[in-house]
Amino acid sequence: KQEVTQIPAALSVPEGENLVLNCSFTDSAIYNLQWFRQDPGKGLTSLLLIQSSQREQTSGRLNASLDKSSGRSTLYIAASQPGDSATYLCAVPDMGRRALTFGSGTRLQVQP
Amino acid sequence: DVKVTQSSRYLVKRTGEKVFLECVQDMDHENMFWYRQDPGLGLRLIYFSYDVKMKEKGDIPEGYSVSREKKERFSLILESASTNQTSMYLCASSFGQRNIQYFGAGTRLSVL
Repeated sequence: KQEVTQIPAALSVPEGENLVLNCSFTDSAIYNLQWFRQDPGKGLTSLLLIQSSQREQTSGRLNASLDKSSGRSTLYIAASQPGDSATYLCAVPDMGRRALTFGSGTRLQVQP
Repeated sequence: DVKVTQSSRYLVKRTGEKVFLECVQDMDHENMFWYRQDPGLGLRLIYFSYDVKMKEKGDIPEGYSVSREKKERFSLILESASTNQTSMYLCASSFGQRNIQYFGAGTRLSVL
């Protein structure tokens, strides 16, 4: 059964820092990986989706990488801002069910 | 833009009540999902559907049922609500091979 782990569970940084969030998964037979953002008490917003054939995907200040062979993905946030404060979740598809298996998330706080 | 709408943001119900959570998507997606999210447990799949009148159990279906009579609407039913069903419920939809999942804003259900 696929397991997804995110480290660290929580992170606090001063505004302007570059930071990296980590995601690892146990079964490398995935066809994509998705990063989401969740604000407190809200639903999930899709940030980036990386196909298994890609190594990186970029959107603005966000860059996600995927290394299937090692079962790892990273989300890089450049020049962090207080508005980036949220919980970030990674998720991989359950191959048989079209559903997603989620990590437990990294709670990010960017201090002004 | 894809829109996934959950009928209620907050609900308070009594133990034993029958509860309906409604989800509607406006992009003709064939796949729809219900997850629940709990602190320390992350998001867990309750039920999913990949076509009208089709449904499949997820990881934690006990105490829940679903209905999909129309493609755009996927309902989650708590036949007899219990306090351990107090949670955040998230609906999602997706389509195609890329299977990008789009989430609603969530329903926070409290069962007293």
